Amino acid sequence: KQEVTQIPAALSVPEGENLVLNCSFTDSAIYNLQWFRQDPGKGLTSLLLIQSSQREQTSGRLNASLDKSSGRSTLYIAASQPGDSATYLCAVYNAGNNRKLIWGLGTSLAVNP
Amino acid sequence: DTGVSQNPRHKITKRGQNVTFRCDPISEHNRLYWYRQTLGQGPEFLTYFQNEAQLEKSRLLSDRFSAERPKGSFSTLEIQRTEQGDSAMYLCASRPSGAGIDEKLFFGSGTQLSVL
Repeated sequence: KQEVTQIPAALSVPEGENLVLNCSFTDSAIYNLQWFRQDPGKGLTSLLLIQSSQREQTSGRLNASLDKSSGRSTLYIAASQPGDSATYLCAVYNAGNNRKLIWGLGTSLAVNP
Repeated sequence: DTGVSQNPRHKITKRGQNVTFRCDPISEHNRLYWYRQTLGQGPEFLTYFQNEAQLEKSRLLSDRFSAERPKGSFSTLEIQRTEQGDSAMYLCASRPSGAGIDEKLFFGSGTQLSVL
């Protein structure tokens, strides 16, 4: 059974720092991996999607990497800003089932001015 | 169309009452999902539609829950005889058919249900 774990559960950094959020999954047979952002009391915003055949995706100050064989993904945020404060969740589709995302519990990020 | 729309944003109800939520997906998206999320948890899959067909339903979903997407556009999620354990954020998401970048999910802002 696929399980997704995110470490750390919470992170507090000063503005301007580069930071890394970690996501691991137990079954490497994934279809793709997605990173989402969630603001308190709100829905989720898709940030990056990495196909199983890809190694990384970039969008602005965000870079997500995928090492499928080791069951790991990282989300790198460069030059963090207070507006980046949110919960970041990763989720995977298992290979053969792209209907149901398997979710981590998220990392709650606070960027302090 | 600016995104996935959910109504209402908040719903407070008494235990035992029925509630219905509505989701309007992005217009060209034929795939629609319902998730439930409680504080500090990741979203929990409830059900999935492709056009008007409900193709998958979580085994965790009791028979008090029913979802429809009658014309393959908007969807409704009904909870009958609500219980306090139903209190959660109910999220709707949609995406087009296809692979690759089309597999990105677009979420609405959710309906926060509180059962007193």
